This record gives sequence, structure tokens and C-alpha cells, in this order.
Amino acid sequence: EVQLMQSGAEVKKPGESLKVSCQASGYSFISYWIGWVRQMPGKGLECMGIINPGDSRTKYNPPFQGQVTISVDKSINTAYLQWSSLKASDTAIYYCVRHRIRTGFDYWGQGTRLTVSS
Amino acid sequence: QSALTQPASVSGSPGQSITISCTGLTSDVGGYDFVSWYQHYPDRAPKLVLSEVNNRPSGVSDRFSGSKSGDTASLTISGLQPDDEGTYYCSSYVTDSIPHVFGTGTEVTVL
Repeated sequence: EVQLMQSGAEVKKPGESLKVSCQASGYSFISYWIGWVRQMPGKGLECMGIINPGDSRTKYNPPFQGQVTISVDKSINTAYLQWSSLKASDTAIYYCVRHRIRTGFDYWGQGTRLTVSS
Repeated sequence: QSALTQPASVSGSPGQSITISCTGLTSDVGGYDFVSWYQHYPDRAPKLVLSEVNNRPSGVSDRFSGSKSGDTASLTISGLQPDDEGTYYCSSYVTDSIPHVFGTGTEVTVL
């Protein structure tokens, strides 16, 4: 069974850094792109970017380029989403997703809720 | 890349059929049969219900079906049930350099 298990909810202050994680199981981790989807409060879904765990190639949607860093550690089947300096506007739920061109986002993590507030 | 356009809301009575549209461009929805649909309940992870326009993943009810004409894809839910209430999103392949782009989302209400 494919599972994407995300790290827990976070409450941070503006300017702080953060790295959230997503551990995959039940499939060959390096065979599928994996990425992150944001849902801001009351808003729709936005894909931030994806990464190829085999070679760490990344594809970011333009609004997120330079704003976050997506990485992987294939030795532990884990993907990461990282911020160097959080803003209040980063408050959202972040979903880890497995991505395929033909099927889009076929498996989803349970979501990590991030609150950024002073 | 702009979000694909969906109606904000669609409603129907139990047992009826509803259709949700997802309009893009020739460069995305119109150019490829890589359109997917997702069901999203509040505080839960979205779930893939259709891929490649009209392929249902294992376990998804056959009440969900899809089609595409030109730059517009559609999701039809037949035999509407209270459990179908939620928000539905489409997504489409655009180019090899970015991931699928989402639609704006449609809130489904069962009257």
C-alpha cells in the first residue's frame, strides 16, 4: 500500500526557518516524482514543485521558485519542503504528493498545517 | 501558468447527475489527455477520482465519469449521494518543465 506520511503541525514566527518532511512507503521511491501542494486558508490547491528522487532534479511552479526548497534523502525515502525565512503568508496546509505526468497527483499525504504568526 | 477555470459551485438533489467543467487552453487541457480530477473533503487529503480524462483508479465508484471536448474537460457524478459533497479540482499536464496545474475548484452541494 502506497503511503506518504508527513511530519506534524508547526507553529512558527516570521523570519524563522523550517523543514517539513514526507516519508514514502509501499512503492519504489526513486521511480516516481514527489512534490508539494499548498492550500492557503479558504483557497484552492496549488502545486509548488516536484522532485525526482533518483537524481534530485526539481521542477518548481514559477510563483514558488526561489521561495522554497524541495529536496530528498533517498536513503530514507523522504522528501522535504524547506523555508529559510517564513512569512505570515506561508500559513497554509501543505500536502506531499506523488506525481506522474499521465495521472497527476495519484497519492497524497495527510497534510502538514503550518501557522506563521508573531 | 494560470489555474484552469472551474465553476465555483454546483448543486444537485440526491439521485441526480451533475457535471463540473474544467476549462483551459490548447496548450494544456486541449493539447493532452492528461486531465485528472480530485475529491477534497475539509481537513482531509484530496483523493484522485479520475485520471487521463476518464480512467477511474481502483476503488473509485463508477458513478464518476469524465470526458473532454476541445479545451474543456468535464467530470460527471451520477446518482448523486450526500457523501459526494465536497470540493472537486481538476488538473492537467502543461509542459514537461512544470508539474500538473490545478483548476480553481468547484464546491458540490447535495440539496
